[in-house]
Formats: sequence, structure tokens, C-alpha cells
Amino acid sequence: GAVVSQHPSRVICKSGTSVKIECRSLDFQATTMFWYRQFPKQSLMLMATSNEGSKATYEQGVEKDKFLINHASLTLSTLTVTSAHPEDSSFYICSARGGKREKTQYFGPGTRLLVL
Amino acid sequence: QQQVKQSPQSLIVQKGGISIINCAYENTAFDYFPWYQQFPGKGPALLIAIRPDVSEKKEGRFTISFNKSAKQFSLHIMDSQPGDSATYFCAADTGTASKLTFGTGTRLQVTL
Repeated sequence: GAVVSQHPSRVICKSGTSVKIECRSLDFQATTMFWYRQFPKQSLMLMATSNEGSKATYEQGVEKDKFLINHASLTLSTLTVTSAHPEDSSFYICSARGGKREKTQYFGPGTRLLVL
Repeated sequence: QQQVKQSPQSLIVQKGGISIINCAYENTAFDYFPWYQQFPGKGPALLIAIRPDVSEKKEGRFTISFNKSAKQFSLHIMDSQPGDSATYFCAADTGTASKLTFGTGTRLQVTL
């Protein structure tokens, strides 16, 4: 099956610092990657969609200057939380999808961010 | 119109029993309906998926039933096991938007 990895699995940082999360598709080329945020006992909330080589499309209410997304290659997307604050603490999950006609999204294991 | 309504919010089933989770949607443009299983602290894992041209799909102990006219679909877990205890999410995707709309999730607990 298709495997998606995320790094780091958890990160603790001080308020005001920036944190970068990597998402990699290990055994397939991901033309599209998605970034989600999940609060405890809640569903997944789509933050943005990124296609390789183009700018990410952000969902309504998601600050693009706060959550920087880069999809530089067909196997790597990064999410940078800039000037993180305690309210940014959450579980961030990426997913990846193969060709444009491919429907299935494969999810990474998630990254737990705690901002002190 | 983009919502996917999922029920129940939580479910307790005895080992060996059948777990049933239901989802309903409004957007008739949805054409792909996956179910995901998520364990605490982990990312969701694709369990099974169905397209609206079939009414049922079975993979091992997991079955999706799909009712296009009622705009409903459900997940049945046969012979439920304690290892099935997790949160289950239904989702729907359209051909054009190609992004998943998730249900609110169902926390399943399978007791001994």
C-alpha cells in the first residue's frame, strides 16, 4: 500500500518560534498533497491543498501567512507554522494523492505540535 | 450542502457483534465514499471505499452499504473485535473538487 511519512512526529516549541513539518510520499508520486488540522475528539479540518510546483490553495479562514505550504517535489510537501502561539497547538496531518484522477488519499501518521 | 452527517457519535459493541455506522449526504455530486479508521495519536487509515454505481462492497469483515436514492451509506463491521476499537470517519469526494468532506466521526468501543 501507499505510504506517507511525516516528520517530526511531535514537537514542542516556545511561543514565537517557527516550526516546519515535512510530509513525504515514500512509494508513489503525489501530485496533490493536503494538510489537515485535528483537535482532540474532533474531525479533520482541511487547511490547504497543494499541487506540485504551484501555490497552495487555502481553505476559508486559514491564514496563508501563518501556515506556509511548499510542495517543491512530487514526494515532499512542507508546512511551516510561523510565529507559533499556544492556540496553534494541535495535531497536524498530511495526506497525499497520486494522479489527478486518483481519488484515494493516503494519510501520514500526524505531527503533534505543542506551543508553550 | 457540503456536509456529511455521521451517526452515532459513539458506539459500544460486544465482541463478536456487528457494529453499524451511518452517514448521510446532500450533495449529489459526491461520487466517492471512503471510510477511514483512526487510532489515538495516529493518522487515519483507509479502510474501504465505494462508488455510487454499486450498492454494496465487502472486504473481509468490513462492508459498505450504499443507498443512492436515500443519499445514505453505512459501514458494517462483522464479528467486531477489541482491536477494532477506534474512531471511524466517513467521507465523500466529488469528481471536480476532489477534496474530502469528512463526517464528524464515531468512537467505537468493542468490549470483551
